[in-house]
Amino acid sequence: NAGVTQTPKFRVLKTGQSMTLLCAQDMNHEYMYWYRQDPGMGLRLIHYSVGEGTTAKGEVPDGYNVSRLKKQNFLLGLESAAPSQTSVYFCASREDSPQPQHFGDGTRLSIL
Amino acid sequence: RKEVEQDPGPFNVPEGATVAFNCTYSNSASQSFFWYRQDCRKEPKLLMSVYSSGNEDGRFTAQLNRASQYISLLIRDSKLSDSATYLCVSNSGYALNFGKGTSLLVTP
Repeated sequence: NAGVTQTPKFRVLKTGQSMTLLCAQDMNHEYMYWYRQDPGMGLRLIHYSVGEGTTAKGEVPDGYNVSRLKKQNFLLGLESAAPSQTSVYFCASREDSPQPQHFGDGTRLSIL
Repeated sequence: RKEVEQDPGPFNVPEGATVAFNCTYSNSASQSFFWYRQDCRKEPKLLMSVYSSGNEDGRFTAQLNRASQYISLLIRDSKLSDSATYLCVSNSGYALNFGKGTSLLVTP
């Protein structure tokens, strides 16, 4: 029973490099989310998706892009990484509103 | 103003004590509420869901007051393992609104 799986778990990038974070869920959930969490800031929503082929901006979308080509996968891309994007990134999914979200165990990203 | 406001704490309590956290929300149309627990550098994990006036699960009780727009979490007989950050969450559409969390430290 995998739930929500995030890859990679850790990554170090240099400024200007690009990368993609993968989130996969096996619960057939419609809604998927990407958050970042920084000390003292709480969880901040980057982008979300309410179904396959749909995406929408959250609270802090700048510098990130997302895609939901398959229902089970939600990809978060950084086109040109910046030190300000050093953070812990969490993916979450849920069946629909008003159900709760289930989180992956996070990706720790450092940008030098 | 954030949608969900919590006292960040920390709340330091001895083992066996009862502790309560309050959380206020601003959107009166919020349909459901949740309490999550987050351990240091780990993912948030669902503790309780609140869809009507309240919910109880063992030592944990959540209560919802729609008139005053607040949710509370009561923890009875605190254990050392209850030490964590507790996130209050409201649901009013596609996205959930997370508070910044209340830190609890239970001491021997």
